[in-house]
Amino acid sequence: TQLLEQSPQFLSIQEGENLTVYCNSSSVFSSLQWYRQEPGEGPVLLVTVVTGGEVKKLKRLTFQFGDARKDSSLHITAAQPGDTGLYLCAGGSTFGDGTTLTVKP
Amino acid sequence: NAGVMQNPRHLVRRRGQEARLRCSPMKGHSHVYWYRQLPEEGLKFMVYLQKENIIDESGMPKERFSAEFPKEGPSILRIQQVVRGDSAAYFCASSPSRGRGGYEQYFGPGTRLTVT
Repeated sequence: TQLLEQSPQFLSIQEGENLTVYCNSSSVFSSLQWYRQEPGEGPVLLVTVVTGGEVKKLKRLTFQFGDARKDSSLHITAAQPGDTGLYLCAGGSTFGDGTTLTVKP
Repeated sequence: NAGVMQNPRHLVRRRGQEARLRCSPMKGHSHVYWYRQLPEEGLKFMVYLQKENIIDESGMPKERFSAEFPKEGPSILRIQQVVRGDSAAYFCASSPSRGRGGYEQYFGPGTRLTVT
C-alpha cells in the first residue's frame, strides 16, 4: 500500500513570509500532483510533477519532485492571505492528509 | 466548458434511509473516482470506474456502499441504510486518461451528507 505523509499538518504564518510544505513516501510514484482545497469546495489541481528532480514554478509557488520520485515539496514565496487553504499532495488516487495553511494579513 | 458536476450539494438523511449521490464528469472524460473526506482530513479513495465498469473498488466498504457509471447518465454512489458514521463530504473526480502524468483529476464541488 502506497502512503503519502505530509508535513507540517498545520501552518500559520504572517503575510509576506516564505514557507515550505513536504510530501514524503517510501514508495516510488510515476507522478505526483499538488492540489489546493478551500473550505466547502473540491480540490483544485495546481501542478503535476513527473520527472525525478523536476522543478516547476507557478507564480510564487515552486514545486519540486525528488530525484528518487518518492517525495515532493511546495515552496511559497511571500505568502498572501489568498494562499490560505488545504494543500494536498497525491499520487494518482492516493492522497496525503494535507497541510492546512493560514496566512494572516 | 462545464466542470465536474455533483448533486445534490447537501443531503440530509435519517438513519436507515438511502443516499444517492450523482456525478457528471467533465466532457470527454471517461474515468470517474469517488472519495470521502472527513473534516480536516485528506481524501480517502473509494472507487474508480470507467463507463459500465468498476476498475478498482478497494476503498469501498464491503457492505451498504455501491457505485455505478452507466453508459448513459451520471455516475451514482449509493449508500444504503445510512448510519451517522457515513456523514462526510463525498467528492467525485474525473480524468481523461491514466497514462504517464495522466493521473490528474478534476474535482466536483462535493456532496455534504449529514445523517441524523
